[in-house]
Amino acid sequence: EPEVTQTPSHQVTQMGQEVILRCVPISNHLYFYWYRQILGQKVEFLVSFYNNEISEKSEIFDDQFSVERPDGSNFTLKIRSTKLEDSAMYFCASRTLISGNTIYFGEGSWLTVV
Amino acid sequence: RKEVEQDPGPFNVPEGATVAFNCTYSNSASQSFFWYRQDCRKEPKLLMSVYSSGNEDGRFTAQLNRASQYISLLIRDSKLSDSATYLCVVKPNTDKLIFGTGTRLQVFP
Repeated sequence: EPEVTQTPSHQVTQMGQEVILRCVPISNHLYFYWYRQILGQKVEFLVSFYNNEISEKSEIFDDQFSVERPDGSNFTLKIRSTKLEDSAMYFCASRTLISGNTIYFGEGSWLTVV
Repeated sequence: RKEVEQDPGPFNVPEGATVAFNCTYSNSASQSFFWYRQDCRKEPKLLMSVYSSGNEDGRFTAQLNRASQYISLLIRDSKLSDSATYLCVVKPNTDKLIFGTGTRLQVFP
């Protein structure tokens, strides 16, 4: 079964450093998302991306965050200057044009900011 | 008021028991409703969509009451492998999912 893959699975970074989390969505998918989950809290929407531009973003997704689809397969989330409160599991997700409500999540990238 | 509200549990039940989870949501314009399952430190996985007419998938039954803005999940004949956190998820009229904090279920032998 095709799946969304994410790298790295775990990253530890110092406060103030830039981090790039990578995702390879399922190959025929056109809609891409990032969600995050702080330990012990709920899953929160960050951003949706379609047709090479952001469709929607949450209040969490401030100027420190950016997304990019640099080629036909990767979808990246960049955090420019990490803060302690950015420590969380970051999930990438994708769906097709016609799958409507069925989105597929990757296994997540666990980011620890120290 | 929280957008999606759930009892965090935990619900500790013996194998074979029937257990029910409830969820309320605040946005009456919400379009779609789901139950996801999340194992510890794993990604959320879609368990089932929830329809107004109610729907069943094996041992799992989901119900939606739009008037009361209330969603439920019933698990019959609980298995040890059902132990997980069950997430109530709502999709408003935009392309994003709103998650509840989840209800933790622990099934014991």
